[in-house]
Amino acid sequence: GQQVQQSPASLVLQEGENAELQCNFSSTATRLQWFYQRPGGSLVSLLSNPSGTKHTGRLTSTTVTKERRGSLHISSSQITDSGTYLCAMGMNNNAGAKLTFGGGTRLTVRP
Amino acid sequence: EAAVTQSPRNKVAVTGGKVTLSCNQTNNHNNMYWYRQDTGHGLRLIHYSYGAGSTEKGDIPDGYKASRPSQENFSLILELATPSQTSVYFCASGGIQDYNNQAPLFGEGTRLSVL
Repeated sequence: GQQVQQSPASLVLQEGENAELQCNFSSTATRLQWFYQRPGGSLVSLLSNPSGTKHTGRLTSTTVTKERRGSLHISSSQITDSGTYLCAMGMNNNAGAKLTFGGGTRLTVRP
Repeated sequence: EAAVTQSPRNKVAVTGGKVTLSCNQTNNHNNMYWYRQDTGHGLRLIHYSYGAGSTEKGDIPDGYKASRPSQENFSLILELATPSQTSVYFCASGGIQDYNNQAPLFGEGTRLSVL
């Protein structure tokens, strides 16, 4: 079945440093979706990016569909960025809007 | 405001008992989903639905049933709960076929412990 691998599994940064999160997927996706999850909390959509580069605030998502990989860059990290970042690949076909999730990257930003 | 509401938020069940997790959405989305999240596995899709009366098997449907009696409500049913079903369960609505490829909206999760 479809698989999504994220790396690193965990990351510790000092406040102000940049973070680069990686996502690799096993089959052609129609989009790559990034979510943020607070400890014990719900998921919040960050960026949806089928291909190319998209920006929002301090976040930049880059997806290279042909190479089946994507990344999320967080610039000037803040303590409040701490949490788990999940990437999910979506297939826009007759199966509807199913998303397959990776295991996540747990980010800790220290003062 | 768009919302997905899950109930209960926490549940302790006994092995062999029946558990029903409920999800309500006020977004008028056609698609709804049930996921479970376990350490090291991310979120895994259990069942999903395209609309009232529709239920489809996801990637890990064994041991679970789903019910979509209306556009707003989607339930996950564990007929005979087992300790391996101890997990955090998330409901979501929306997605690719709802509203211009927006990401699905997630509920706050239900923490289920089966003893």
